[in-house]
Amino acid sequence: KAGVTQTPRYLIKTRGQQVTLSCSPISGHRSVSWYQQTPGQGLQFLFEYFSETQRNKGNFPGRFSGRQFSNSRSEMNVSTLELGDSALYLCASSLGGGGTGELFFGEGSRLTVL
Amino acid sequence: AQSVTQLDSQVPVFEEAPVELRCNYSSSVSVYLFWYVQYPNQGLQLLLKYLSGSTLVKGINGFEAEFNKSQTSFHLRKPSVHISDTAEYFCAVTPRGNSNYQLIWGAGTKLIIKP
Repeated sequence: KAGVTQTPRYLIKTRGQQVTLSCSPISGHRSVSWYQQTPGQGLQFLFEYFSETQRNKGNFPGRFSGRQFSNSRSEMNVSTLELGDSALYLCASSLGGGGTGELFFGEGSRLTVL
Repeated sequence: AQSVTQLDSQVPVFEEAPVELRCNYSSSVSVYLFWYVQYPNQGLQLLLKYLSGSTLVKGINGFEAEFNKSQTSFHLRKPSVHISDTAEYFCAVTPRGNSNYQLIWGAGTKLIIKP
């Protein structure tokens, strides 16, 4: 069974640009969560999508957005990039309903903002 | 609401020595408990989980954890560590029976193996 796939793995952007990251969950998983990980703040929850609807949201500004498609693939977008957005962005999938809440993570997308 | 405290941000230990990474949680309801490991430049990987039953849980790579309900702890142990165990370890909890909730994460503990 294929794992969670995130693309791209690495990217460099400049301040003010926008970026879109993609996540393909494990087959059969309907929930996709996004996390931002930085050395200073640790692992921070961005949002979760379940059956194309945002079900949970963390405490991030509106520049951070996401969506989920009917095949459960998800994208997250960050607009007007700031230097502080440099981070490892992790996607995780889960069954989303009736399971234990266990998350399966991708390798992450490392964003550097210059 | 739930919260998770990982008491040590870093734990240095000599190779082949035993190690314990501490995790305490707070919750008014029963929880599922997880330990995840993150190797350098990788995503997180499930190490082990406690759902119910025996309080001693065995995971991958020789790790085990013991659930202690009275002390609300879920400490991770390994009897003999290797250089390859160098990683960051995260403890997480979620309310039992409600997968709509997000995992609540500890801040992580960096395990540093000294040769």
